[in-house]
Amino acid sequence: GAGVSQSPSNKVTEKGKDVELRCDPISGHTALYWYRQSLGQGLEFLIYFQGNSAPDKSGLPSDRFSAERTGGSVSTLTIQRTQQEDSAVYLCASSLVYDGGGLQTQYFGPGTRLLVL
Amino acid sequence: QKEVEQNSGPLSVPEGAIASLNCTYSDRGSQSFFWYRQYSGKSPELIMFIYSNGDKEDGRFTAQLNKASQYVSLLIRDSQPSDSATYLCAVNPWAGGTSYGKLTFGQGTILTVHP
Repeated sequence: GAGVSQSPSNKVTEKGKDVELRCDPISGHTALYWYRQSLGQGLEFLIYFQGNSAPDKSGLPSDRFSAERTGGSVSTLTIQRTQQEDSAVYLCASSLVYDGGGLQTQYFGPGTRLLVL
Repeated sequence: QKEVEQNSGPLSVPEGAIASLNCTYSDRGSQSFFWYRQYSGKSPELIMFIYSNGDKEDGRFTAQLNKASQYVSLLIRDSQPSDSATYLCAVNPWAGGTSYGKLTFGQGTILTVHP
């Protein structure tokens, strides 16, 4: 089936504006993840959704960041009052989950390149 | 100490040679380990995963895991210019109970394969 899709592919916004980034996971994948990759940096974990469980928000850098996942499928990452340091590529990934094995393979979407002026 | 460490490189090898990429991790309870390849301007794509000590081979790629030494490596045989990319090591830091998906990534190693 189709892979992970993200929209928009690029977003330019002004400092102080709110932005919404969308992720559509692979059909049937119950786990969804958001990461951020700044220029020349590794991937930074932001938030993790698994089924109906409470999301793991431990990676969100500030309370300006929030995310939701509706109907166990599509997810939206919202950044309020954007700052220049929020400029990065925001990557979404999805996976199946195996109980007890600790083994999940995450498949990444193409990312949203966010530039805050 | 970073949780997952990689030599940032760049690592430069001639075409046809073996490229060796290394990764160490700090969480001794880590269960599964992944290698992703990322071309410039693109998203990461999975190359291999490994969760048992020893070697795992897939085509020109071999992943090696040594949990006692907290070390995982990726060997690329017969390197090609198309292998030039950043290679990311990722570790699942096992949170106990049911499986848990958060991955911790290293900074990545830039590999250049020159003709």
